[in-house]
Amino acid sequence: GDSVTQMEGPVTLSEEAFLTINCTYTATGYPSLFWYVQYPGEGLQLLLKATKADDKGSNKGFEATYRKETTSFHLEKGSVQVSDSAVYFCALGFSGGGADGLTFGKGTHLIIQP
Amino acid sequence: GAVVSQHPSRVICKSGTSVKIECRSLDFQATTMFWYRQFPKQSLMLMATSNEGSKATYEQGVEKDKFLINHASLTLSTLTVTSAHPEDSSFYICSAPGTGARDQYFGAGTRLSVL
Repeated sequence: GDSVTQMEGPVTLSEEAFLTINCTYTATGYPSLFWYVQYPGEGLQLLLKATKADDKGSNKGFEATYRKETTSFHLEKGSVQVSDSAVYFCALGFSGGGADGLTFGKGTHLIIQP
Repeated sequence: GAVVSQHPSRVICKSGTSVKIECRSLDFQATTMFWYRQFPKQSLMLMATSNEGSKATYEQGVEKDKFLINHASLTLSTLTVTSAHPEDSSFYICSAPGTGARDQYFGAGTRLSVL
């Protein structure tokens, strides 16, 4: 079946450091790929997505590129801030990501220290 | 943006009791809602798809008699964990597709602890 593997956390970085959170997937067919972020006490929010190979999703300084050859969708940010502290989930879905349930990774807890 | 409200955020109950969790779409209609469960240090796992006006669709391995889903209106779906046991302790999250079904909007989740 479909699955998503992302790096275990917590990941602790200093402010302004470079961030990479690895995500790889296994799927039949051609899924869309997503990164969701969950701040304490809130629901998951879509951070960015990519719907086909070589697409780059970007939002709030975060980027991820859909790499079909390596089945990866790594999340990057050049300079993190304390406010980026949250749990990040990589996910895949079909039908654009809204019409069907998503397959998630375990989540990576990111802690940014001032 | 679209908001999904989930209630309660946390519930502690005794073994054998039933617990109801509500999921509401606050400013949009949702004919479909999704229910997920997350065990500690595990992925969110899709449990079932809730359909307004018809029966829910359950994922393989999820007991439909254990997890009762009722999609009573275009803005409300409920998940009832019947005769809860400690192994049902988990984090339950609902979501609903937004307009155009290109994205999902998530509730904040409910942490269920069964003693």
